[in-house]
Amino acid sequence: LAKTTQPISMDSYEGQEVNITCSHNNIATNDYITWYQQFPSQGPRFIIQGYKTKVTNEVASLFIPADRKSSTLSLPRVSLSDTAVYYCLVVLMDTGRRALTFGSGTRLQVQP
Amino acid sequence: DAGVIQSPRHEVTEMGQEVTLRCKPISGHDYLFWYRQTMMRGLELLIYFNNNVPIDDSGMPEDRFSAKMPNASFSTLKIQPSEPRDSAVYFCASRYTGTGHMNTEAFFGQGTRLTVV
Repeated sequence: LAKTTQPISMDSYEGQEVNITCSHNNIATNDYITWYQQFPSQGPRFIIQGYKTKVTNEVASLFIPADRKSSTLSLPRVSLSDTAVYYCLVVLMDTGRRALTFGSGTRLQVQP
Repeated sequence: DAGVIQSPRHEVTEMGQEVTLRCKPISGHDYLFWYRQTMMRGLELLIYFNNNVPIDDSGMPEDRFSAKMPNASFSTLKIQPSEPRDSAVYFCASRYTGTGHMNTEAFFGQGTRLTVV
């Protein structure tokens, strides 16, 4: 299972763009990259997933370089409500193992 | 769908008592996961099921923990006997991975906060 490494914490201000980078050096061909968000006292919530290049949805963008050894979650114009823990996961898409393994995550604090 | 439903939301019990946590996954989802979250250890995968069959229980900390999924709409996680170090938030999650479906999205319940005194 590919191990992920991401910063423990980040600080930002309202209105700024936040980029959280995750490294996954031993990612396998059949692995997808996915990001989750967790607010206090709630379960994690899916944000975005990707395999390569760039993916964008209404919440965030995910940038994945050609070698796929890292990925960057981009949150445009953050607000106070984006304060949360963000988890980067590598998920095997082969049959037989579909579990999601969470690392330590990045604690994002957005200041006014 | 109301999402993944867990009960109870909070449970306080005395050491040595049996505790049963319950989960109702989203209808049609073929995977169900049990996680435990603490400040020290983060979010740990305990066990997961595929079509009601346990696939991997290597995360279950010890024999005091057991999980069942008697049907597609219900799962339990039991701790017997409970100990103070079992105090944590326990999450249940479900996921659909149909054939050709490259989707990594899992849906989590609100969690059960367990306190063993």
